[in-house]
Amino acid sequence: EAGVAQSPRYKIIEKRQSVAFWCNPISGHATLYWYQQILGQGPKLLIQFQNNGVVDDSQLPKDRFSAERLKGVDSTLKIQPAKLEDSAVYLCASSPQVGYNEQFFGPGTRLTVL
Amino acid sequence: DQQVKQNSPSLSVQEGRISILNCDYTNSMFDYFLWYKKYPAEGPTFLISISSIKDKNEDGRFTVFLNKSAKHLSLHIVPSQPGDSAVYFCAAILTGNQFYFGTGTSLTVIP
Repeated sequence: EAGVAQSPRYKIIEKRQSVAFWCNPISGHATLYWYQQILGQGPKLLIQFQNNGVVDDSQLPKDRFSAERLKGVDSTLKIQPAKLEDSAVYLCASSPQVGYNEQFFGPGTRLTVL
Repeated sequence: DQQVKQNSPSLSVQEGRISILNCDYTNSMFDYFLWYKKYPAEGPTFLISISSIKDKNEDGRFTVFLNKSAKHLSLHIVPSQPGDSAVYFCAAILTGNQFYFGTGTSLTVIP
C-alpha cells in the first residue's frame, strides 16, 4: 500500500513570494490533515478535511494561507505572501475517517523563507 | 497554549537499558493517546497508543503507561536498541479527531 505522498520535499523562497505544496493521501482515506512543524516544536494542525469539506481550520492563518481538496482526494496548501516565520516543515497526514485513532504521515515539505 | 508537553528535549541511553520518555497533558477531556516516532527527513510514524480507559498497553519492546490522575503518560522501551534513536512525539486526541502533539524528545541509544 502506497503511503502519503508530498511534493516538493524542499523549497526555498524569498519573503513575500508565493508557494504551494501538494499532498496525495493513502487511497481511500477520507480525512486529510495539514500540519506545520516549526523547528523544535511538535506538529500543529493547520486544517482538516473530511472528503472535500473543511472540518477544522481554526488555526489556519487565513490572511495568507489557503488549502483546498476539490475532488476529495489530493490537496494543495498555499502561502501567499510568505513571511520569514513560515519557515517550517509542512506535514500532510491522512486517516480512513474522522474518529479513527491513527494518522499516517507523509515525509513533509521543508520550507525555508529567506 | 501547549496542552501536551514533553519536558525533556533529549535523552541518551545505553544500548540494552531501558528508555523512559515522559509526556504531561493539561486537558482531562483527552480520550486517546499515541506515541509517534520520527526519523530525520521522514514523517512521524505511529508507534503505540492507549485509550483513556486503560492504564497500560504493551507491544513487544514498547509499553505505554497512563496515569490519568496525574495527567501523565510515559513510553518505556526495553531493551533499547541503536535503531530506536529518533525523535518521539506524544499526541493526545479530543473527541472529534483533534490531535495535539507534544514538542518531542530526541532519544539517542548509545551502542
